[in-house]
Amino acid sequence: DIVMTQSPLSLPVTPGEPASISCRSGQSLLHSNGNNYLHWYLQRPGQSPQLLIYLSSNRASGVPDRFSGSGSGTDFTLIISRVEAEDVGDYYCMQALQTPITFGQGTKLEIK
Amino acid sequence: EVQLVESGGGLFQPGGSLRLSCAASGFTFSGYWMHWVRQVPGKGLVWVSRIKSDGSSTNYADSVKGRFTISRDNAKSTLYLQMDSLRAEDTAVYHCARVYNSAYDYWGQGTLVTVSS
Repeated sequence: DIVMTQSPLSLPVTPGEPASISCRSGQSLLHSNGNNYLHWYLQRPGQSPQLLIYLSSNRASGVPDRFSGSGSGTDFTLIISRVEAEDVGDYYCMQALQTPITFGQGTKLEIK
Repeated sequence: EVQLVESGGGLFQPGGSLRLSCAASGFTFSGYWMHWVRQVPGKGLVWVSRIKSDGSSTNYADSVKGRFTISRDNAKSTLYLQMDSLRAEDTAVYHCARVYNSAYDYWGQGTLVTVSS
């Protein structure tokens, strides 16, 4: 199984400040087709997860442009350029290169 | 509008069985892979199973293999998860999710399954 490791697990952020979450995979997520099979989700309190970033760096429909994703191979990063109150919740990375599909432990973003 | 609505959860005894349903609407259901993902309240996301758009291929997490069966009825736009030989550790909220570019672009609200005597 591909192990996904996120850091930090807790992230207190002042509104308007940037935030960064790291996700590392136990093996490369780079497919021969050139895509990295790494996705990011936000789960707001009491809600289902929602897709933020797919294939490492593509923003999902309706996602604000303050969210961006980068990385390749085994190291990936989600960046929020200016955190807003509505960004509070749990962030998960997920690898979809192979089954079993696996998720990171989650990073809880809170507002200072 | 794309909607995924799960049903079938509740309180069940260890060793028992149940079937979850996920009713899809707002898109051509038969064109998409579908997955089940579960989450123990307060804990992280765990993949359970997936099924190809035409139902011809399925995969399972080791923890449910041999006990759970994923299926779909494309004529009814409905995804299923048959859960047998239930264990306490199967207690979780079960979400169905649609796959787009290998990611889950739509999730259902989830249905809570509690396994307890």
